[in-house]
Amino acid sequence: GESVGLHLPTLSVQEGDNSIINCAYSNSASDYFIWYKQESGKGPQFIIDIRSNMDKRQGQRVTVLLNKTVKHLSLQIAATQPGDSAVYFCAEVSNSGYALNFGKGTSLLVTP
Amino acid sequence: EPEVTQTPSHQVTQMGQEVILRCVPISNHLYFYWYRQILGQKVEFLVSFYNNEISEKSEIFDDQFSVERPDGSNFTLKIRSTKLEDSAMYFCASSGQGAYNEQFFGPGTRLTVL
Repeated sequence: GESVGLHLPTLSVQEGDNSIINCAYSNSASDYFIWYKQESGKGPQFIIDIRSNMDKRQGQRVTVLLNKTVKHLSLQIAATQPGDSAVYFCAEVSNSGYALNFGKGTSLLVTP
Repeated sequence: EPEVTQTPSHQVTQMGQEVILRCVPISNHLYFYWYRQILGQKVEFLVSFYNNEISEKSEIFDDQFSVERPDGSNFTLKIRSTKLEDSAMYFCASSGQGAYNEQFFGPGTRLTVL
């Protein structure tokens, strides 16, 4: 079946460096993608989204890139801070527009 | 800032018992969801709910599960006869604009089935 997956299960970066988290998806018909952050003991928190008619979208210190040709999504975090340490999930929205299909998650650890 | 709340934070139950997990979505939201996350695994969609009807459900959401909006503020997930494999974090989410829009998640209820 269709799936969303992440390339790297863990990523360790130094404070101040830029982080890049990658995600592959298999449903070429996917129209909408979201990155969520999950801190320990909390629910997923929305970071940024992108629709399939865009290649790039920027937020505050975060940028999402979408490459529809290779069905790849990435989240870039600029000047990573200790508070960025969390598990990051990419999710694609189902064809109905309601269900979020999450990837397995990448654990980001920011070291001082 | 408005947020989704869930109770209880942790529920322990015996196999075969019924449990009801409760959620209070953000007050002006009309679309509601339940997800679960088994320890160490990804978040999985269970069901979406709008206008007092299920709009979409996954294969996980079988006959032992049901959802209800019993009043104007609560949204519940009932598991009729719990199994060991139902042990997971259950997250409620809500959105204000339906399809293809941000879903706001609650902090989750940890369900432990013994």
